[in-house]
Amino acid sequence: GQQLNQSPQSMFIQEGEDVSMNCTSSSIFNTWLWYKQDPGEGPVLLIALYKAGELTSNGRLTAQFGITRKDSFLNISASIPSDVGIYFCAGPNSGGSNYKLTFGKGTLLTVNP
Amino acid sequence: EAGVVQSPRYKIIEKKQPVAFWCNPISGHNTLYWYRQNLGQGPELLIRYENEEAVDDSQLPKDRFSAERLKGVDSTLKIQPAELGDSAVYLCASSLDRLEQYFGPGTRLTVT
Repeated sequence: GQQLNQSPQSMFIQEGEDVSMNCTSSSIFNTWLWYKQDPGEGPVLLIALYKAGELTSNGRLTAQFGITRKDSFLNISASIPSDVGIYFCAGPNSGGSNYKLTFGKGTLLTVNP
Repeated sequence: EAGVVQSPRYKIIEKKQPVAFWCNPISGHNTLYWYRQNLGQGPELLIRYENEEAVDDSQLPKDRFSAERLKGVDSTLKIQPAELGDSAVYLCASSLDRLEQYFGPGTRLTVT
């Protein structure tokens, strides 16, 4: 089946720093979704990308749909302590089953105040 | 707008016991999903409902897992009997657009 590889697995940064993480696949995706999961909670949808090359922002978050359609990037600017959590990328399964999302293993972000 | 509601939030049971999880999706969302999330992993789909019909249960271990969505709104997921390996977080999600899924807080199951 399809796999999504997220890197880095974890990051430790200082408050105020910018952070970048990415998600790659061996196969083409037509949609990329980025979620954030806080401890003890379910994933929360941050950004959805539908078009190759698309760059979308949501506050301090910016995500890009890679031109090759095999990768996506999420950037967080001026990090704050509440950015702590696990960031997942996800995309629809192939074969026309657009509803079935494949998730990466996540990037754990720690922000030191 | 209320989000996806799940209960209980935590459940600890002994192996071989039954357990049930409940989900109330976002109002108006006709598609409902149950996912399982193991520690250090992303969520993995167990079953998807379109209204009251289970349209994909290929990942559901049917020997011990069952689910229902009566009247196409609330849903329950049951495990009977539970095994040690079933310890995980069980997430419910719903969507109007099939791609943008909204998750509940999950039920953390511990089987001892």
